[in-house]
Amino acid sequence: DSGVTQTPKHLITATGQRVTLRCSPRSGDLSVYWYQQSLDQGLQFLIQYYNGEERAKGNILERFSAQQFPDLHSELNLSSLELGDSALYFCASSANYRGTEAFFGQGTRLTVV
Amino acid sequence: QQQVKQSPQSLIVQKGGISIINCAYENTAFDYFPWYQQFPGKGPALLIAIRPDVSEKKEGRFTISFNKSAKQFSLHIMDSQPGDSATYFCAAWANFGNEKLTFGTGTRLTIIP
Repeated sequence: DSGVTQTPKHLITATGQRVTLRCSPRSGDLSVYWYQQSLDQGLQFLIQYYNGEERAKGNILERFSAQQFPDLHSELNLSSLELGDSALYFCASSANYRGTEAFFGQGTRLTVV
Repeated sequence: QQQVKQSPQSLIVQKGGISIINCAYENTAFDYFPWYQQFPGKGPALLIAIRPDVSEKKEGRFTISFNKSAKQFSLHIMDSQPGDSATYFCAAWANFGNEKLTFGTGTRLTIIP
């Protein structure tokens, strides 16, 4: 158990809908990272938050957004969902903003139908 | 642009043999190179990591070899066991700029009896 908790584990939704994925980092970790894993793209970095502030941004679509709350949990919001958004979404946390030792949650499997 | 290239895509090794996975990078700003192990349905788990000031790091049956001049690093799994069957990802972290873990595309390792 990495100590990073993601909910829900599975999510099935229709195209055009909006969903929210939640991540609770390991106790004491200030950084949260979101990754998308699909079969043909591997692990793609989406966005990083450190202590409530956006720290780094990857190839995150404009339809996607994230935030980190004062209690350090994070939410990834995906809107106007398309079939191609179906993937595993992972959250990782680390103690510092460099993420040198990043611990991953078990992921949320999103299926868009 | 893929900054970390990983090979092979899949690997089959007999039990007791040596599994070798290779990665090459382009960005000389990378200064931390972890390997992650991922089992089906689970998140990636940090396995072993190295910094470029050493050429080799060993933890149990897992060894990272690092060649700074060639910008290559590899994971060696000695005495490979069926329980090692998983997908392995190399990654790299830069010390400045858009700080994020950049992952290779993964190697699916199967250990056969």
